[in-house]
Amino acid sequence: DVVLTQSPLSLPVTLGQPASFSCRSSQSLVYSDGNTYFNWFQQRPGQSPRRLIYKVSNRDSGVPDRFSGSGSGTDFTLKISRVEAEDVAVYYCMQGTHWPPRFGQGTKLEIK
Amino acid sequence: QVQLVQSGPEVKEPGASVKVSCKASGYTFTNYGITWVRQAPGQGLEWMGWISVYNGNTKYAQKVQGRLTMTTDTSTSTAYMELRSLRSDDTAVYYCAKDWVATPGSADYWGQGTLVAVSS
Repeated sequence: DVVLTQSPLSLPVTLGQPASFSCRSSQSLVYSDGNTYFNWFQQRPGQSPRRLIYKVSNRDSGVPDRFSGSGSGTDFTLKISRVEAEDVAVYYCMQGTHWPPRFGQGTKLEIK
Repeated sequence: QVQLVQSGPEVKEPGASVKVSCKASGYTFTNYGITWVRQAPGQGLEWMGWISVYNGNTKYAQKVQGRLTMTTDTSTSTAYMELRSLRSDDTAVYYCAKDWVATPGSADYWGQGTLVAVSS
């Protein structure tokens, strides 16, 4: 099975400062059709997960443009350009390229 | 707007079964699949399985294979997840999510979650 390793596990950030989340895959996530089925999710305390980014870099509807996704192959990054209080959450990466789909272990964003 | 509304919390004894429902609205139910994900207390997300609403194809995680059955009722736009022979480590919040029709990997909209507690 593909293993997704997120780092760091905890990320303290000052309000208004940028934040960067890393997710590394044990295998390339490029599918045979040329697409990379890699998503980022946000889970705020007490809430259901919410998809933020799909296929590496596409923002879902309603997601603020301060969130951006990038990467290729095995290395992926989620960035928040300026952290706001509402961004406090655990962020998960997920791959859908290989069976079975897997999530990373999550990175907890905290306000410093 | 897309909505997935799940059934209420459950408390079960070890060895029992639980069936969680997920009622979809706001999209054409048969054009998509449903993925189920669970989250043990204080833990991360664990993908459990997927069903294509279009043709009923299912894919289950190896960890729950043999104990898990996913079904849908297209007349009511409802998906079901039944887990049998419950153990204490099945205690978790169970989520349904709208997914692709042909294979899992999208999970673009999620239900509110259903807490299943397994305890004697």
